[in-house]
Amino acid sequence: GQQVMQIPQYQHVQEGEDFTTYCNSSTTLSNIQWYKQRPGGHPVFLIQLVKSGEVKKQKRLTFQFGEAKKNSSLHITATQTTDVGTYFCAAGYSGSARQLTFGSGTQLTVLP
Amino acid sequence: ETGVTQTPRHLVMGMTNKKSLKCEQHLGHNAMYWYKQSAKKPLELMFVYNFKEQTENNSVPSRFSPECPNSSHLFLHLHTLQPEDSALYLCASSQDRSGSLAYEQYFGPGTRLTVT
Repeated sequence: GQQVMQIPQYQHVQEGEDFTTYCNSSTTLSNIQWYKQRPGGHPVFLIQLVKSGEVKKQKRLTFQFGEAKKNSSLHITATQTTDVGTYFCAAGYSGSARQLTFGSGTQLTVLP
Repeated sequence: ETGVTQTPRHLVMGMTNKKSLKCEQHLGHNAMYWYKQSAKKPLELMFVYNFKEQTENNSVPSRFSPECPNSSHLFLHLHTLQPEDSALYLCASSQDRSGSLAYEQYFGPGTRLTVT
Protein backbone atom coordinates (compact mmCIF):
# COMPACT_ATOMS: atom_id res chain seq x y z
CA GLY A 1 0.00 0.00 0.00
CA GLN A 2 0.88 3.65 -0.11
CA GLN A 3 3.26 5.02 2.47
CA VAL A 4 4.03 8.52 3.57
CA MET A 5 7.25 9.21 5.45
CA GLN A 6 7.19 11.80 8.21
CA ILE A 7 10.25 13.26 9.92
CA PRO A 8 11.47 13.84 12.52
CA GLN A 9 9.87 11.31 14.83
CA TYR A 10 10.60 13.46 17.90
CA GLN A 11 11.48 17.11 18.37
CA HIS A 12 12.33 18.94 21.57
CA VAL A 13 12.43 22.71 21.35
CA GLN A 14 12.82 25.55 23.79
CA GLU A 15 9.73 27.72 24.09
CA GLY A 16 10.00 30.47 21.51
CA GLU A 17 11.97 28.41 19.01
CA ASP A 18 10.56 27.38 15.65
CA PHE A 19 9.53 23.85 14.69
CA THR A 20 9.04 22.07 11.37
CA THR A 21 7.80 18.62 10.45
CA TYR A 22 7.98 17.15 6.96
CA CYS A 23 6.01 14.54 5.04
CA ASN A 24 7.17 12.87 1.85
CA SER A 25 5.48 10.50 -0.57
CA SER A 26 7.03 8.62 -3.46
CA THR A 27 3.84 9.10 -5.48
CA THR A 28 1.74 12.15 -6.26
CA LEU A 29 -0.92 13.03 -3.74
CA SER A 30 -4.41 14.28 -4.46
CA ASN A 31 -4.47 16.18 -1.17
CA ILE A 32 -2.86 16.25 2.23
CA GLN A 33 -4.28 16.95 5.65
CA TRP A 34 -2.67 17.76 8.97
CA TYR A 35 -3.87 16.66 12.38
CA LYS A 36 -2.76 17.37 15.94
CA GLN A 37 -3.06 14.91 18.80
CA ARG A 38 -2.52 16.24 22.31
CA PRO A 39 -1.11 13.82 24.91
CA GLY A 40 -3.92 11.48 25.97
CA GLY A 41 -6.20 12.90 23.30
CA HIS A 42 -7.36 12.08 19.82
CA PRO A 43 -6.34 13.47 16.42
CA VAL A 44 -7.94 16.81 15.59
CA PHE A 45 -8.11 18.11 12.03
CA LEU A 46 -6.05 21.24 11.39
CA ILE A 47 -6.09 21.90 7.66
CA GLN A 48 -6.25 20.46 4.17
CA LEU A 49 -4.05 21.34 1.18
CA VAL A 50 -5.11 20.49 -2.35
CA LYS A 51 -3.31 22.68 -4.89
CA SER A 52 0.27 22.36 -6.06
CA GLY A 53 2.49 24.84 -4.19
CA GLU A 54 -0.33 25.83 -1.85
CA VAL A 55 0.55 27.70 1.34
CA LYS A 56 -1.91 28.24 4.17
CA LYS A 57 -1.46 29.95 7.51
CA GLN A 58 -3.22 29.62 10.83
CA LYS A 59 -1.77 32.16 13.25
CA ARG A 60 1.73 30.82 14.00
CA LEU A 61 1.29 27.68 11.86
CA THR A 62 2.27 27.63 8.19
CA PHE A 63 1.38 24.67 5.97
CA GLN A 64 2.94 24.05 2.57
CA PHE A 65 2.20 21.61 -0.24
CA GLY A 66 5.05 20.93 -2.63
CA GLU A 67 4.96 21.88 -6.30
CA ALA A 68 5.02 18.22 -7.31
CA LYS A 69 2.36 17.36 -4.69
CA LYS A 70 4.65 14.75 -3.17
CA ASN A 71 5.67 16.52 0.00
CA SER A 72 4.30 18.84 2.63
CA SER A 73 5.50 20.66 5.70
CA LEU A 74 4.10 22.22 8.85
CA HIS A 75 6.07 25.05 10.41
CA ILE A 76 5.33 26.57 13.80
CA THR A 77 6.85 29.95 14.58
CA ALA A 78 7.79 30.80 18.16
CA THR A 79 6.47 27.66 19.80
CA GLN A 80 4.42 27.81 22.97
CA THR A 81 3.75 25.13 25.57
CA THR A 82 0.25 24.78 24.15
CA ASP A 83 1.79 23.46 20.92
CA VAL A 84 2.84 20.24 22.67
CA GLY A 85 1.50 17.12 20.98
CA THR A 86 1.97 14.84 18.00
CA TYR A 87 1.45 16.25 14.54
CA PHE A 88 0.34 13.87 11.79
CA CYS A 89 0.13 14.35 8.09
CA ALA A 90 -2.51 12.33 6.27
CA ALA A 91 -2.21 11.78 2.55
CA GLY A 92 -4.98 11.25 0.06
CA TYR A 93 -4.21 9.34 -3.11
CA SER A 94 -6.19 9.17 -6.35
CA GLY A 95 -8.09 5.91 -6.49
CA SER A 96 -8.23 5.70 -2.69
CA ALA A 97 -10.71 8.50 -2.28
CA ARG A 98 -12.05 7.43 1.08
CA GLN A 99 -8.76 6.45 2.64
CA LEU A 100 -6.17 8.61 4.26
CA THR A 101 -2.68 7.27 4.75
CA PHE A 102 -1.29 8.71 7.96
CA GLY A 103 2.34 9.49 8.58
CA SER A 104 3.94 8.16 11.74
CA GLY A 105 3.73 11.58 13.37
CA THR A 106 6.18 14.01 14.93
CA GLN A 107 6.00 14.27 18.70
CA LEU A 108 6.72 17.85 19.74
CA THR A 109 7.91 18.70 23.24
CA VAL A 110 8.19 22.36 24.17
CA LEU A 111 10.43 23.11 27.13
CA PRO A 112 9.44 26.19 29.15
CA GLU B 1 -15.96 18.08 21.53
CA THR B 2 -18.88 15.62 21.54
CA GLY B 3 -19.35 15.14 17.79
CA VAL B 4 -18.07 11.57 17.91
CA THR B 5 -18.45 9.50 21.06
CA GLN B 6 -16.96 6.13 21.89
CA THR B 7 -17.69 3.65 24.66
CA PRO B 8 -16.16 2.24 26.67
CA ARG B 9 -13.17 4.54 27.11
CA HIS B 10 -11.10 1.77 28.68
CA LEU B 11 -11.44 -2.00 28.32
CA VAL B 12 -9.44 -4.87 29.75
CA MET B 13 -10.27 -8.27 28.38
CA GLY B 14 -8.89 -11.77 28.40
CA MET B 15 -8.01 -13.61 25.24
CA THR B 16 -11.12 -15.76 25.43
CA ASN B 17 -13.58 -12.91 26.01
CA LYS B 18 -16.01 -11.36 23.57
CA LYS B 19 -16.60 -7.64 23.77
CA SER B 20 -17.83 -4.82 21.55
CA LEU B 21 -16.71 -1.24 21.05
CA LYS B 22 -19.33 1.34 20.19
CA CYS B 23 -19.05 4.57 18.25
CA GLU B 24 -21.73 7.17 17.60
CA GLN B 25 -21.43 10.31 15.51
CA HIS B 26 -23.73 13.30 15.90
CA LEU B 27 -22.44 15.24 12.90
CA GLY B 28 -24.75 13.92 10.19
CA HIS B 29 -21.82 12.35 8.36
CA ASN B 30 -22.18 9.46 5.93
CA ALA B 31 -18.82 7.72 6.36
CA MET B 32 -17.33 6.10 9.45
CA TYR B 33 -13.98 4.51 10.14
CA TRP B 34 -12.16 2.30 12.63
CA TYR B 35 -8.46 2.92 13.22
CA LYS B 36 -5.91 1.18 15.43
CA GLN B 37 -3.23 3.30 17.08
CA SER B 38 -0.31 1.44 18.63
CA ALA B 39 2.74 2.93 20.24
CA LYS B 40 5.38 3.99 17.72
CA LYS B 41 3.21 3.05 14.71
CA PRO B 42 1.19 5.17 12.31
CA LEU B 43 -2.56 5.17 12.55
CA GLU B 44 -3.73 1.98 10.87
CA LEU B 45 -7.02 2.08 9.00
CA MET B 46 -9.04 -1.04 9.75
CA PHE B 47 -12.50 -0.55 8.25
CA VAL B 48 -14.42 2.04 6.27
CA TYR B 49 -18.17 2.31 5.98
CA ASN B 50 -19.80 4.63 3.51
CA PHE B 51 -23.59 4.97 3.46
CA LYS B 52 -23.63 1.96 5.84
CA GLU B 53 -21.80 -0.26 3.39
CA GLN B 54 -18.32 -1.53 4.07
CA THR B 55 -16.08 -0.20 1.33
CA GLU B 56 -12.63 -1.03 2.69
CA ASN B 57 -11.23 -3.81 4.81
CA ASN B 58 -7.51 -3.49 5.13
CA SER B 59 -6.59 -7.13 5.74
CA VAL B 60 -7.80 -7.06 9.30
CA PRO B 61 -7.86 -10.42 11.16
CA SER B 62 -11.27 -12.02 11.46
CA ARG B 63 -11.17 -11.69 15.25
CA PHE B 64 -12.23 -8.09 14.56
CA SER B 65 -15.74 -7.84 13.15
CA PRO B 66 -17.35 -4.48 12.30
CA GLU B 67 -21.02 -3.66 12.21
CA CYS B 68 -22.70 -0.51 10.93
CA PRO B 69 -26.47 -0.64 11.52
CA ASN B 70 -27.01 2.96 10.35
CA SER B 71 -24.95 5.97 9.34
CA SER B 72 -24.65 7.22 12.92
CA HIS B 73 -23.51 4.06 14.69
CA LEU B 74 -20.51 1.81 14.28
CA PHE B 75 -19.48 -1.20 16.30
CA LEU B 76 -16.33 -3.27 16.49
CA HIS B 77 -16.92 -6.76 17.82
CA LEU B 78 -13.91 -8.41 19.40
CA HIS B 79 -13.30 -12.09 20.11
CA THR B 80 -10.29 -14.26 20.93
CA LEU B 81 -7.93 -11.32 20.77
CA GLN B 82 -4.17 -11.51 21.23
CA PRO B 83 -2.01 -9.39 23.55
CA GLU B 84 -0.57 -7.61 20.48
CA ASP B 85 -4.07 -6.28 19.79
CA SER B 86 -3.72 -4.01 22.81
CA ALA B 87 -3.93 -0.46 21.45
CA LEU B 88 -6.05 2.66 21.24
CA TYR B 89 -8.99 2.07 18.90
CA LEU B 90 -10.24 5.25 17.30
CA CYS B 91 -13.48 5.83 15.49
CA ALA B 92 -13.80 8.66 13.00
CA SER B 93 -16.45 10.07 10.69
CA SER B 94 -16.49 12.30 7.64
CA GLN B 95 -18.93 13.73 5.15
CA ASP B 96 -18.10 11.91 1.95
CA ARG B 97 -18.90 13.93 -1.19
CA SER B 98 -18.53 13.19 -4.86
CA GLY B 99 -15.07 13.64 -6.32
CA SER B 100 -11.68 12.17 -5.63
CA LEU B 101 -10.62 13.95 -2.45
CA ALA B 102 -10.51 12.40 0.98
CA TYR B 103 -12.34 14.73 3.35
CA GLU B 104 -11.41 15.76 6.86
CA GLN B 105 -12.14 13.22 9.53
CA TYR B 106 -13.48 13.83 13.00
CA PHE B 107 -12.20 11.43 15.62
CA GLY B 108 -13.75 10.14 18.79
CA PRO B 109 -11.78 9.97 22.06
CA GLY B 110 -10.89 6.31 21.51
CA THR B 111 -11.12 3.10 23.50
CA ARG B 112 -7.93 2.06 25.26
CA LEU B 113 -7.94 -1.73 24.93
CA THR B 114 -5.72 -4.03 26.96
CA VAL B 115 -5.72 -7.75 26.19
CA THR B 116 -4.37 -9.92 28.98
